[in-house]
Amino acid sequence: DAGITQSPRHKVTETGTPVTLRCHQTENHRYMYWYRQDPGHGLRLIHYSYGVKDTDKGEVSDGYSVSRSKTEDFLLTLESATSSQTSVYFCAISEGPNGYEQYFGPGTRLTVT
Amino acid sequence: RKEVEQDPGPFNVPEGATVAFNCTYSNSASQSFFWYRQDCRKEPKLLMSVYSSGNEDGRFTAQLNRASQYISLLIRDSKLSDSATYLCVVNLRGSQGNLIFGKGTKLSVKP
Repeated sequence: DAGITQSPRHKVTETGTPVTLRCHQTENHRYMYWYRQDPGHGLRLIHYSYGVKDTDKGEVSDGYSVSRSKTEDFLLTLESATSSQTSVYFCAISEGPNGYEQYFGPGTRLTVT
Repeated sequence: RKEVEQDPGPFNVPEGATVAFNCTYSNSASQSFFWYRQDCRKEPKLLMSVYSSGNEDGRFTAQLNRASQYISLLIRDSKLSDSATYLCVVNLRGSQGNLIFGKGTKLSVKP
């Protein structure tokens, strides 16, 4: 299995609080991605990174920000959590962009009350 | 029209059965194709990439028809351990790896 960890694995937080999720990889892959998965939807891309300090928005980026200061870490921040951000968040890594397989971390279950 | 469409299932089959999943995609700029499986409350795991000429990995066979924008996955001799949700995934050319996921087809293999 690819060396990807996510922390925390579970979190319950209140509306309006900031939340940061961490993705850590030991594969030295250049590309990292944050997805969310909700019932009735496929996985949807939030943000991605194509290198240290290089990030871009995905399909559902509103309300989220990211940072990547090291190759191995990609942080997802919810500046002010809302109930609509209750979801399962997956991080993924890839050696390259198009045509390369992506490997997923174990996920973080976030509940915003 | 949804970008990647799959029959949601569930497909309930007996052990040993052959089962086929179909998937259609709407964007002709789709460049790469994959099948992932996802067990309940787990992360998606890559099952196989799908190549233009079709490819096989043990009991699993994937086919791609670019003209019809159609992808298939065939599982032969189903095992109980094949029970999972199967996700059809495409990657658009020039999208920096932005994968487009179908909602998945649930398979349940019964003894």
